[in-house]
Amino acid sequence: EPEVTQTPSHQVTQMGQEVILRCVPISNHLYFYWYRQILGQKVEFLVSFYNNEISEKSEIFDDQFSVERPDGSNFTLKIRSTKLEDSAMYFCASMRGPRSHEQFFGPGTRLTVL
Amino acid sequence: AQSVTQLGSHVSVSEGALVLLRCNYSSSVPPYLFWYVQYPNQGLQLLLKYTSAATLVKGINGFEAEFKKSETSFHLTKPSAHMSDAAEYFCAVSDQGLISSGSARQLTFGSGTQLTVLP
Repeated sequence: EPEVTQTPSHQVTQMGQEVILRCVPISNHLYFYWYRQILGQKVEFLVSFYNNEISEKSEIFDDQFSVERPDGSNFTLKIRSTKLEDSAMYFCASMRGPRSHEQFFGPGTRLTVL
Repeated sequence: AQSVTQLGSHVSVSEGALVLLRCNYSSSVPPYLFWYVQYPNQGLQLLLKYTSAATLVKGINGFEAEFKKSETSFHLTKPSAHMSDAAEYFCAVSDQGLISSGSARQLTFGSGTQLTVLP
């Protein structure tokens, strides 16, 4: 069964460093999302991406964040200069098409900023 | 704007007992509603979804939920809890807007309910 994959599973970085979190969505899906979950808190929407551009973003998704689909399979989230408060679990999700309702989630990347 | 409230951050039930996890939503547009389950150190798995068809929705692992518009609720139930049901459960809402009109159908999640099943 096709699934969303994410790498790495755990990333440790120093404050101020750039990180790139990678996701491989399900191959025939067209809509892509990033969410994050700070430890002990709810899952929060960051950004959605369709047709090679951002379709919607939350207040959390400031200029430090960017997303890219560099090729036909990967979907990346970059944080330019990490802060301590960026420590969280980051989930990638994908959805098949405009008539779909279900987003399929990856296993997440745990980002720890020291 | 949409929001989700899950009453009870922790719920404990005995094995074999009824599971009831509460979810109330607020939405200015007709919603889609979802329940996701998260096992330790794993991602989010869809249990069931309401997409404006039948109001009683059956999902995986014996779970079901009923959409009650008048109560703005979408409570999750299972008649008989199993030890393997111990996990965190998230209720989520998205809008039914057309993607072509700009809706990204992003999910708004509740705070989650940790279910413990006692032997």
